[in-house]
Amino acid sequence: LAKTTQPISMDSYEGQEVNITCSHNNIATNDYITWYQQFPSQGPRFIIQGYKTKVTNEVASLFIPADRKSSTLSLPRVSLSDTAVYYCLVGDGSSASKIIFGSGTRLSIRP
Amino acid sequence: GAGVSQTPSNKVTEKGKYVELRCDPISGHTALYWYRQSLGQGPEFLIYFQGTGAADDSGLPNDRFFAVRPEGSVSTLKIQRTERGDSAVYLCASSLSGGSPAGDEQFFGPGTRLTVL
Repeated sequence: LAKTTQPISMDSYEGQEVNITCSHNNIATNDYITWYQQFPSQGPRFIIQGYKTKVTNEVASLFIPADRKSSTLSLPRVSLSDTAVYYCLVGDGSSASKIIFGSGTRLSIRP
Repeated sequence: GAGVSQTPSNKVTEKGKYVELRCDPISGHTALYWYRQSLGQGPEFLIYFQGTGAADDSGLPNDRFFAVRPEGSVSTLKIQRTERGDSAVYLCASSLSGGSPAGDEQFFGPGTRLTVL
């Protein structure tokens, strides 16, 4: 199973760009990279997903280098409401049991 | 539209008791997932349904845990002879097709906080 490694926590300030990097050295050819956000007392919420290169949506960007051994979630101009735990998942689309959330990165945004 | 709902939101029980946790997925979603989340940890996969059948139950920790989805919609997670170590938040998620479990966008409910005294 492809295991992921993320920083335990990060701090930033409102209006800054935040980049959270996830390492997944054992990623398999068919694995997707997916990021979820979780607020206290809520279930995780899908942010973005990619396979290679760059993906951008209205919320974030996901950068994936050619070797796919890492990925970076980029949150532009964060606000206090972006304070949450962010999970990087690497999974083979064929198997639910390979969905591994890990411990996530606790992002704290300050005024 | 309505999201995934879970009931009860909180459940306190005594060691050895039986509990049932309910999940109502988004209408039309054929795939349903159960996860368990302990404090400070990410969700841990338990079981995945595609329609009425359990397509992958490899995450269930032991035979005290069982889940059903008889009509392909609502699902119930059942825990027998509860232990203190079962205390956690139990999350349910659904996705539209489930054809690619690790690739599909999952929509999570708010969870049921189970406390076993």
